[in-house]
This record gives sequence, C-alpha cells and structure tokens, in this order.
Amino acid sequence: DGGITQSPKYLFRKEGQNVTLSCEQNLNHDAMYWYRQDPGQGLRLIYYSQIVNDFQKGDIAEGYSVSREKKESFPLTVTSAQKNPTAFYLCASSTRQNLGLSEAFFGQGTRLTVV
Amino acid sequence: GIQVEQSPPDLILQEGANSTLRCNFSDSVNNLQWFHQNPWGQLINLFYIPSGTKQNGRLSATTVATERYSLLYISSSQTTDSGVYFCAVGGSGTYKYIFGTGTRLKVLA
Repeated sequence: DGGITQSPKYLFRKEGQNVTLSCEQNLNHDAMYWYRQDPGQGLRLIYYSQIVNDFQKGDIAEGYSVSREKKESFPLTVTSAQKNPTAFYLCASSTRQNLGLSEAFFGQGTRLTVV
Repeated sequence: GIQVEQSPPDLILQEGANSTLRCNFSDSVNNLQWFHQNPWGQLINLFYIPSGTKQNGRLSATTVATERYSLLYISSSQTTDSGVYFCAVGGSGTYKYIFGTGTRLKVLA
C-alpha cells in the first residue's frame, strides 16, 4: 500500500542522547516535512525538503537535524541540544509545485519521551 | 506570518446532531486543508480545499478565500467523529502549512 511510514511508534530517550526518527514514503512525492505537536496544540514545522539533497529550516529547527539522501527517506535527529524534546513528531509528504504547496499526507507519528 | 484561528475550541454533541467548525486566516492563502486527528494521533485528510465547496458523505467544506475563512460541516454526527479537527493553510510561494490550534469534538452516544 502507498503511504508514509514512521518508526518507531514510541521512543524513549535519556538526557543527553541523540535519537533518530525514521520517515519513509512510497508515494513518489518530492517534498517531505517534519512537524512537532505538543499536548493540546497545533503542529509546528521543524524542517522541510523540496528535493533530494536539499532541506530548509522551519519555525523550530533548533536542536534538530535532518538529511535527505534519498527521495523516499527523510530522517529526523533530535539532538541533545533540544531542551524539551518530549513531544509527538509527525512526518508528511506532498508533490512539489512551482508556486508552493499541494495536498499533504501524514504518517502515524512517533511519540518521543525523555526519561 | 499568517495567523490561523479555529472556533469553537471545544464542542460536545449528541450523536445525530449537526455542527459547523470555522477556520479564519489573517492573509490570502493558496492552499487549505482540513484534517481529523484520531485518538491515536494520526492525521486523516478530510479536504484539500483552497476555494469552493466539496462534499464527502456526511462531511462538507466551504472555503471563501476572498473573505479569509473556511467552514467544515459535520452532519448526523457519530461517536467515531470524535477527535480534533485541524485547519492548515499555506500562502503563495511558501512551502509550509500553518496549523490552527484545532477544535476538539466529542460526540456522545
């Protein structure tokens, strides 16, 4: 089935550790995104990528890093520099249009907890 | 940047009732989506509706871009409609959606 797969579903991190969240899509979409959701809040953009080997910071990129070596994959690393990493992380993808966005589709999310 | 406000923030309905959710945005947009976030956190696409009206079963949506708002109608609500409904908008030439804070809907049996 076509879609976006995020793994793991739940992740626990110790203070000072880096962790990597996986996002894979088989929709042949050019654009991919990472969002963060805190309890009772909307989604905020961390990073986005319109094409392979290129990505841009979103609104809350500090303490996060990404790579885009393959069209299908857009992993997110939560570094020890992220002061409050406990949150729900959602990956999305869409086709790329010259004038901006198209319909976005989301994965099932990863819940990260710092212990 | 564009501000997105959703109302009401919370809504409780009896099963079978109808409801209207509203999304106001502060600037012109080229893209607008409605999502339903289920209790497990997954965002389900409801409508991609930069303008005009669409219907899908018991749900319909209308976006009046010139007046900077969108409405989501839910008719004959069911308990499975419970969850959070988000509106997300994107302006011309931008590559990110801006989300509202959502409407929390609870449908009682």
